Parts: sequence; structure tokens; C-alpha cells
Amino acid sequence: EAQVTQNPRYLITVTGKKLTVTCSQNMNHEYMSWYRQDPGLGLRQIYYSMNVEVTDKGDVPEGYKVSRKEKRNFPLILESPSPNQTSLYFCASSRPNTNSPLHFGNGTRLTVT
Amino acid sequence: TQLLEQSPQFLSIQEGENLTVYCNSSSVFSSLQWYRQEPGEGPVLLVTVVTGGEVKKLKRLTFQFGDARKDSSLHITAAQPGDTGLYLCAGGVGGAQKLVFGQGTRLTINP
Repeated sequence: EAQVTQNPRYLITVTGKKLTVTCSQNMNHEYMSWYRQDPGLGLRQIYYSMNVEVTDKGDVPEGYKVSRKEKRNFPLILESPSPNQTSLYFCASSRPNTNSPLHFGNGTRLTVT
Repeated sequence: TQLLEQSPQFLSIQEGENLTVYCNSSSVFSSLQWYRQEPGEGPVLLVTVVTGGEVKKLKRLTFQFGDARKDSSLHITAAQPGDTGLYLCAGGVGGAQKLVFGQGTRLTINP
């Protein structure tokens, strides 16, 4: 089954404790992206990757890092999480065309205390 | 920065009624996608429109892309409780895969 898998689904952590949210897709998609979803703000792009070893900042990249060492994986790293990074995070993948649909994972709800 | 404004942000209606959700911008988009998101899940694509004035139908849902490709609408006829969810519009920008999302419309259909 074609899917985007994120882990963990839920995460509660404390300020400053480094964490990684994993994302994997099995559709051989070149494009992958991370979004955060906050009430009233919709989906805002954090980082995206057009292909292996190619990553770019989205609209809200501060406090986040990503890597794309393999085509299928695109982890999101928070080196020193802060409470304002409490949010619902989504990973998505697609073919590299504006008209191609984004395939989303089921989300990771992160709480930073 | 390109923005997409969705309205209304919240809508609660009775089963069987019709409704329209709007997605507006001052910017031109190369395409417009509509997604639906249910609790605990990621958004799922409903439709993509790419031509100004294009109309697409998906059962009781009708999607329209404005002639100038700056706005779009989603019309639901005879809404059902199964239509309940968060509806998101997303505008395509440029040649790379870059989507700008609206804030979403949370729709509740009451039996």
C-alpha cells in the first residue's frame, strides 16, 4: 500500500531535549516536505526536499533541521525544542510537479513543556 | 508572500443543505488543489484544477477555479454527515512543487 509513515504519532518532551521525527515514503517520490499545522494558521511549510541531498527552507524553518540522505526518508530534527514548537506536524511526498497531489502522513502531535 | 484566504473558517449546517466554501487570493496560482482532512489523519486530495474557469465535479462536490486563477470555490449539494471535516485549499506556485495553503474551513454536518 502506498503510504507516508511518520513516527512517533505523539510525543511529549521538555525544552531543550533534542528529538527527531521520522518520515518514510514507499512511492519513490522525489519531493518531500514537512509542515506544521496550528489552529487558524493552516499548514505552514517548514522544509522541503526536491531530491536526495537537496533541501530548502520553507516559510517557517527556524528551530528545525532536516536531512535527505536517502530518497525514501526525510527526518525532521529539533535540536533544542521550545514550547512554541508545540504543534501538529505532517510529512508529505509527491512527484516534483506543482499539479501532483501531496501524500500526507498521519501526523505527529508534539508537545514541548 | 502569497496568501490564500478561506471563508468561512467554521460552518455548521443541517444534513441536506447546500453550502459553498471560498478560497481567495490577490495572487495568481498555476493550479489549485482541495484537500479534506479528518481527525487523526493527514489531508487527502479531493481535486486539482489547473485552467482558469475550470469546473470539476466529484459526486455532490463541485469545484471551480476562477477565470483569473486567483480564487476557487467548493460547493456541496445536499450535505451529508460524512462530509464533515476540515477542507483545505492549496495554490500551486511556480514550476517547483510549492503549495500555499489556506487556513482551512471546518465543516460540520448535523444529522
